[in-house]
Amino acid sequence: DAKTTQPPSMDCAEGRAANLPCNHSTISGNEYVYWYRQIHSQGPQYIIHGLKNNETNEMASLIITEDRKSSTLILPHATLRDTAVYYCIVRVGGNQFYFGTGTSLTVIP
Amino acid sequence: DTAVSQTPKYLVTQMGNDKSIKCEQNLGHDTMYWYKQDSKKFLKIMFSYNNKELIINETVPNRFSPKSPDKAHLNLHINSLELGDSAVYFCASADRGSESGYTFGSGTRLTVV
Repeated sequence: DAKTTQPPSMDCAEGRAANLPCNHSTISGNEYVYWYRQIHSQGPQYIIHGLKNNETNEMASLIITEDRKSSTLILPHATLRDTAVYYCIVRVGGNQFYFGTGTSLTVIP
Repeated sequence: DTAVSQTPKYLVTQMGNDKSIKCEQNLGHDTMYWYKQDSKKFLKIMFSYNNKELIINETVPNRFSPKSPDKAHLNLHINSLELGDSAVYFCASADRGSESGYTFGSGTRLTVV
């Protein structure tokens, strides 16, 4: 039972930042926000996760609003290889992931 | 070293047959999962095993039977295959109770003809 809402598709120019939004207005205080992506028909790949604070790793940045009702995944310099379906998931630690329909990101040359 | 490996990668079989998909993880995780991704690309959890014990069994026909001989392996056996079973099946592993995410395998594309 996905608890997130994402736009079905987005385009981004190669080399520009891709900002992928996610609404999770019913998120609980102990639920983390996770981002995964699936390139073509490969297995989903972990990108980043966070609880309250903004997070950054070598792949992306995660910005979570102060009320935690929404978040944005930022790919700072999108490449053609970033074309994929991006899933935003909320989850209590230890519980299973429920995937929604995600956002299909197309990076345009 | 592949963290979560599934075999076979492709499986084409006739209706009514019985088939198995194998999954192994070398991450030392205590929990393993099976997900099904249908033609509409929706990823749906099927089963979850924690230390060889079934902890999640979503609404899945009983023709599907997971088996976990040890915590590093979770196999999926499917009896009397039907056309609607055609999908990509993904295995995943994680440490239950940890905030760490799942690691997924590369999938098994099952085609029932």
